[in-house]
This record gives sequence, structure tokens and C-alpha cells, in this order.
Amino acid sequence: QKEVEQNSGPLSVPEGAIASLNCTYSDRVSQSFFWYRQYSGKSPELIMSIYSNGDKEDGRFTAQLNKASQYVSLLIRDSQPSDSATYLCAVNEDTGRRALTFGSGTRLQVQP
Amino acid sequence: DVKVTQSSRYLVKRTGEKVFLECVQDMDHENMFWYRQDPGLGLRLIYFSYDVKMKEKGDIPEGYSVSREKKERFSLILESASTNQTSMYLCASRHGTDQGAQYFGAGTRLSVL
Repeated sequence: QKEVEQNSGPLSVPEGAIASLNCTYSDRVSQSFFWYRQYSGKSPELIMSIYSNGDKEDGRFTAQLNKASQYVSLLIRDSQPSDSATYLCAVNEDTGRRALTFGSGTRLQVQP
Repeated sequence: DVKVTQSSRYLVKRTGEKVFLECVQDMDHENMFWYRQDPGLGLRLIYFSYDVKMKEKGDIPEGYSVSREKKERFSLILESASTNQTSMYLCASRHGTDQGAQYFGAGTRLSVL
């Protein structure tokens, strides 16, 4: 069974700090990786995708990928209370099954 | 702009009723998915479809069926609703390549009484 693991949290950070969210995956052949943000009672919203090793930055968000360690992370700089949500990591298993594999999510709380 | 539309945000049904949840996407995506999400259990895949009239079971297909007669529309059917099917239902779609992201609809919160 392919797995995507995330710490469920809550991860609590003060406003203005850097929030670091981590994800590990079990399938070495995984090719593409995604971070979704989900507010309570709402559906997941895509915020970042990353396909190659290294960092990818988009505004306050940076995704980091290390395929050798099977590790992907999301950094949120200058965290705001509006960033408080559950963050889902998703991985494309590249097995022909056309659904992403999702982690169970990390709940982030940004304290004003 | 990407758009996945689910026909209802909230539904209340009675035990034993036949329930239809509709999903439409306007991105010409080949793949469409139905998930349910319950507190503490994460996203669970019910069924998906990779082409018109094609379907595959996900992780929890029991008690559900699906229909995909047109590329843009994917329906989830609860043949005889039960209280344990009370949940948030999420539709998603994805391009046919293996690299793309999935895009979700707003969700339908179904209560079966």
C-alpha cells in the first residue's frame, strides 16, 4: 500500500513566523507532488505543485522536494491568521492509477 | 479558470432513498473522481473514471455506483442511502497526463436521516 505520511498537528506558530509542514511518501517512483490547503468545511484548494528536486517559490509559499529522501515540505513565510487551515500533501504514484494519493493533512494554527 | 461544479452544497435525505450527486467540469479533463471525507479519516476515494463510460472502483465503493455518459459530467449514486453515508462528498477532475494536479469542487455535505 502506497502511503503519504503527515504529522496531524496542530502545528501552532505565531503570526509573522515561518511555518514548516512536512510530508514523506513511500513510493520511490512518484513523479509529481502537490500541496493543498483546506479550510474547515471547505474543499481542498491547490496551492503548490513541484516536480523536480529543489525549491519552488510562489509568493510566501516555498515547496521543497528531495526525492532521494522521499520527502516534500511546504514553508509558509510571514504566516498570517488566514493561513490557519489543514494542509494536504498529495503524490502522483505513477502507477497508472489516475488518482493522487493524499496524506491525512497537517492542521496549522497561526496565533495573532 | 479551472471549474468543477457540484450540483448541491447541502442535501438532506431519508434512509433508503436513492440519491444522485452531480459533478460537472469545464476543463476537458479525462479523469474524474468521487471522494468522501470524514473527520479523522481523510480523503477516501470511492470511484473514478478515466474516460466516458469507463469507471474503476476506489478504496470504498460499497454502497455506491457512478455514471459517466459525457466527458464533462460524473455522477455518484447512492442506491439506497444509509445513515453511515452521511459525509462530505467531493468531486475532482484531472487532466489525462500523469503529472497534473487534481481540482476539487466545493463539496456536497450529505445528511442521511
